[in-house]
Amino acid sequence: QSVLTQPPSMSAAPGQEVTISCSGSSSNIGKNYVSWYQQLPGTAPKLLIFENDKRQSGIPDRFSGSKSGTSATLAITGLQTGDEADYFCGTWDIGLRAAVFGGGTKLTVL
Amino acid sequence: QLQLQESGPGLVKASETLSLSCTISGGSFSTTTYSWAWVRQPPGKGLEWIATFYYGGNTYYSPSLMGRVTLSVDTSKNLFSMRLKSVTAADTAVYYCARYDYEFDYWGQGTLVTVSS
Repeated sequence: QSVLTQPPSMSAAPGQEVTISCSGSSSNIGKNYVSWYQQLPGTAPKLLIFENDKRQSGIPDRFSGSKSGTSATLAITGLQTGDEADYFCGTWDIGLRAAVFGGGTKLTVL
Repeated sequence: QLQLQESGPGLVKASETLSLSCTISGGSFSTTTYSWAWVRQPPGKGLEWIATFYYGGNTYYSPSLMGRVTLSVDTSKNLFSMRLKSVTAADTAVYYCARYDYEFDYWGQGTLVTVSS
């Protein structure tokens, strides 16, 4: 059971937009920055978004992040087949004194 | 471009100690500016944070692994290591080392460690 809650899977057609949610609490998302990671099949995670809404260098502006209260969202516009991957949110939990991740969302681009 | 490379045995027997190293190249391995972490991923599952060595010198460990895991740093060799003792099948995972700057911005390619009974 992950501390942060994400939908296990989502799907959308090429060219469409998808938003992936990440729900936490006042001890994690509510107090700290959220980051997002993309993990293509068989590869290591890659940082997409840091400090809630800042894109890592080289990440296209099709990817954007936001945070409100104890939830965060990753939006991907103009979906491409190459965006098929697992997406994880992460932050620090001050109560647990631990870095925490969401369980991951498997995105399928139909 | 900063690169991280994990190394260690791919197979460990249950109850023994798992030792992994992370070699940093192509950039600064500073323990006074950056923090360094280990994250693992059981097959088919999500990411699990193990521990972080902070640039201030403190180390934070996952509550679920505290007491079994130890981090060490050798700046002369650009090496960052972890030891996990008394392993069980539940410790079978891909282990990643990563640089941590309030987010995990650089990752190694990961190394699969299987615990055998």
